[in-house]
Amino acid sequence: QVQLQESGPGLVQSSETLSLSCTVSGYSISSGYYWGWIRQPPGKGLEWIGSMHHAGSTDYNPSLKSRVTISVDTSKNQLSLRLSSVTAADTAVYYCARRLGQAFHIWGQGTMVTVSS
Amino acid sequence: QSALTQPASVSGSPGQSITISCTGTSSDVGGYNYVSWYQQHPGNAPKLMIYDVTNRPSGVSNRFSGSKSVNTASLTISGLQAEDEADYYCSSYTSSGTLVFGGGTKLTVL
Repeated sequence: QVQLQESGPGLVQSSETLSLSCTVSGYSISSGYYWGWIRQPPGKGLEWIGSMHHAGSTDYNPSLKSRVTISVDTSKNQLSLRLSSVTAADTAVYYCARRLGQAFHIWGQGTMVTVSS
Repeated sequence: QSALTQPASVSGSPGQSITISCTGTSSDVGGYNYVSWYQQHPGNAPKLMIYDVTNRPSGVSNRFSGSKSVNTASLTISGLQAEDEADYYCSSYTSSGTLVFGGGTKLTVL
């Protein structure tokens, strides 16, 4: 079955760039679907970060758009997230997920990222 | 974009039915039939329970149902069970081509 696994540094320094990868198994990213990133600060709700179609088009949350880049590496079957100029407010569990229409139907387990000053 | 509005908490006894509301605007919930609902148990990733307002993914109990009226979507859980205790989030597609989540609702089974 399709599985997603996030990976990356658990600690990022304030003002630096957060970089995460999402390795997809059981399905080729280049075959279709939109793929996305969602985050959840400790004790808080979900926030959509952005989505990317396998063909390359992207949509971002307007509040994060100036700092976010989502990309796909088809050779590694990975989805990537880059978030620049991070602050403590970016501390969260970051999830990658596959979209079915406008819903996220397959999720990774999430990875916690802490921004330290 | 503003988060969709959900009640912070709801509760019910086993066997009862509860409804969680999700209020948006004509630019999101009211404008499209693209409302989804997610269940999240502590420490776990969210799980899709309802998509496109009323549709259940394969494997989701038929005790879960969704509906929408104007700018408010609703998730109803019937025959409440202890395992339903979790946080629930709604989301909607928006006129800007983006997605927005609700603030979440904590369901307590008494």
